[in-house]
Amino acid sequence: GQQLNQSPQSMFIQEGEDVSMNCTSSSIFNTWLWYKQDPGEGPVLLIALYKAGELTSNGRLTAQFGITRKDSFLNISASIPSDVGIYFCAGVNYGQNFVFGPGTRLSVLP
Amino acid sequence: DSGVTQTPKHLITATGQRVTLRCSPRSGDLSVYWYQQSLDQGLQFLIQYYNGEERAKGNILERFSAQQFPDLHSELNLSSLELGDSALYFCASSLRTGITETQYFGPGTRLLVL
Repeated sequence: GQQLNQSPQSMFIQEGEDVSMNCTSSSIFNTWLWYKQDPGEGPVLLIALYKAGELTSNGRLTAQFGITRKDSFLNISASIPSDVGIYFCAGVNYGQNFVFGPGTRLSVLP
Repeated sequence: DSGVTQTPKHLITATGQRVTLRCSPRSGDLSVYWYQQSLDQGLQFLIQYYNGEERAKGNILERFSAQQFPDLHSELNLSSLELGDSALYFCASSLRTGITETQYFGPGTRLLVL
C-alpha cells in the first residue's frame, strides 16, 4: 500500500531556531496536509496544500507541495516552546484515502 | 476544543469481545471520519461517512464496521477484539466531503484490549 516517510524522526532544537522537516512518498498525491498533535489530543490541521509547487504560510509555519507531487516540506521559523509536539504529514488522493506519515517529534529546549 | 465529541474516553476490555465507540461531529458537519493510531502502525485512516452513506474506505479490518445515523452521529464497532487492536481511535468531522475539506479531530477513545 501507499506509505509516507517523514524525516527527521525526532529533533531537539533551541528556542528561536528554525525547523525543517519533510515528507516523501513513492506515490503521487493530489493534496498534502500537515497536522500537529499534542500529547493526549487529536491532530490539528496546520496547513493544507492542493497544487504542485504551492507554497503556503500560516503564521510562522510555511509548507510546500513538491513539484513531483511525491513530497512536501514544513518549515517553522523562530521556534517557541509551544511548538513541541508530533508533526504528521498526510497525503490524500482523489479516492479520499488519507495516508499519514509516522510523524516527526519536535522538542524545543529553552 | 474542536467541537467533535467522542465517548467513551477510555475503554478496557478482553480479547474476543465487542465494543462500540461513539462520535458526535461538529454542529453542521455532514462528514465523519474514523482513524486508528497505534504505536506500531501510526495514524491510519479507517473509513469515512457522508450524510449517512459510506464515502471512502481505508485500512479497516473486516472485524470492524461503522455507520452514521440520521442525526449524523457515528459509531465504530470493533468485534472479536485482539491484543493488537489496542490503540487510540479518533473521529474527525468536516462540513462536506472532498479532499479540500478541513477535518476537525475529536479527543479520541483509548482502547486497551487485555
